[in-house]
Amino acid sequence: QQQVKQSPQSLIVQKGGISIINCAYENTAFDYFPWYQQFPGKGPALLIAIRPDVSEKKEGRFTISFNKSAKQFSLHIMDSQPGDSATYFCAASMQVYKLSFGAGTTVTVRA
Amino acid sequence: NAGVTQTPKFQVLKTGQSMTLQCAQDMNHEYMSWYRQDPGMGLRLIHYSVGAGITDQGEVPNGYNVSRSTTEDFPLRLLSAAPSQTSVYFCASSYTGQESNSPLHFGNGTRLTVT
Repeated sequence: QQQVKQSPQSLIVQKGGISIINCAYENTAFDYFPWYQQFPGKGPALLIAIRPDVSEKKEGRFTISFNKSAKQFSLHIMDSQPGDSATYFCAASMQVYKLSFGAGTTVTVRA
Repeated sequence: NAGVTQTPKFQVLKTGQSMTLQCAQDMNHEYMSWYRQDPGMGLRLIHYSVGAGITDQGEVPNGYNVSRSTTEDFPLRLLSAAPSQTSVYFCASSYTGQESNSPLHFGNGTRLTVT
């Protein structure tokens, strides 16, 4: 069974809109929560990551919100652009090299 | 820097055949991992290595073998291919195991079809 549950499976957003992807985890020992972005035919690439000692981290138009008590974290993509169209994976782990991934969310940004 | 290089990019096997997926990294990373990606299931860890000569099983190791004779290379062997092993395989590496500023770097994958 997947240790990280991700939703929605896909979403469509208009250019300039906000995309929100949610993830939930069970293992309270997890202390590293990255988000990866994947384009067709490519490997995933790290987008942004957070540790549980902070509740929010922002890098440009991408923000992670983290709720330790609820064991949930989410990715917000502000001012979505067509170039943001990709598949996004949340993940969690205790070690960087042993990530447990969510099922992925395909984001389509309509111009 | 080439980063993480995987070969071949595509492969078709018949059931029962064996093959080796190659992975090499030129970043002097200690940690390397193999994942498989299937629709609706994300990426699942097959095997990983924390250094030359040291390997361990991940979430879905059955049917696969690995070895790590050098820091640079981490090949994945399919012993007797089965249709359930049809997937996209990704190799990844990281400099350390703990630091969030040493992320996992992925190759571009090998798409394997077993008929």
